[in-house]
Amino acid sequence: QKEVEQNSGPLSVPEGAIASLNCTYSDRGSQSFFWYRQYSGKSPELIMFIYSNGDKEDGRFTAQLNKASQYVSLLIRDSQPSDSATYLCAVNTEGRRALTFGSGTRLQVQP
Amino acid sequence: NAGVTQTPKFQVLKTGQSMTLQCAQDMNHNSMYWYRQDPGMGLRLIYYSASEGTTDKGEVPNGYNVSRLNKREFSLRLESAAPSQTSVYFCASSAQEDSPLHFGNGTRLTVT
Repeated sequence: QKEVEQNSGPLSVPEGAIASLNCTYSDRGSQSFFWYRQYSGKSPELIMFIYSNGDKEDGRFTAQLNKASQYVSLLIRDSQPSDSATYLCAVNTEGRRALTFGSGTRLQVQP
Repeated sequence: NAGVTQTPKFQVLKTGQSMTLQCAQDMNHNSMYWYRQDPGMGLRLIYYSASEGTTDKGEVPNGYNVSRLNKREFSLRLESAAPSQTSVYFCASSAQEDSPLHFGNGTRLTVT
């Protein structure tokens, strides 16, 4: 079992819809969770991070964390074609001093 | 405000050649990292440095060495390049170990 798992996609949504991206992790001791966006040929850029159970909202983005079920989600409201990218989930894993990344979900927003 | 600067952006090596990837950050961050990214594999940690003067192996350290020259700079060296090291390499830094990572623009390395 991978430590951080994401569906590779592509996840295709129409413009204006809500895109829901999911990430599961294996270490129950994980404390910090991050979502990065990566455009093709570019470096990852931080979208959001969340430390506590529940929801955290920032503009069109909402991160949801459920530690009991060991998943973290990213919702993108009013999706735009410019949101088309690969979204990487990253988790801090107990015993390691660096983040562990999932392999990413490719999102396509259709105009 | 440059953030994290990596050089070079592109490099082609022949098998057996050596090279050093340079990374510098101007955010006064304590921790620095080297990741590689391959299709379908996500980002995998090669080495990291929690603070100046310390370095530790990550998930895929074989074939690489690192130097934390000072608080700003963290270099990655390939002593004898192999085709399996063809990848995109990202340097990153963070204020602390669990803080968000800030990435450089990457180095695309091809080993023939």
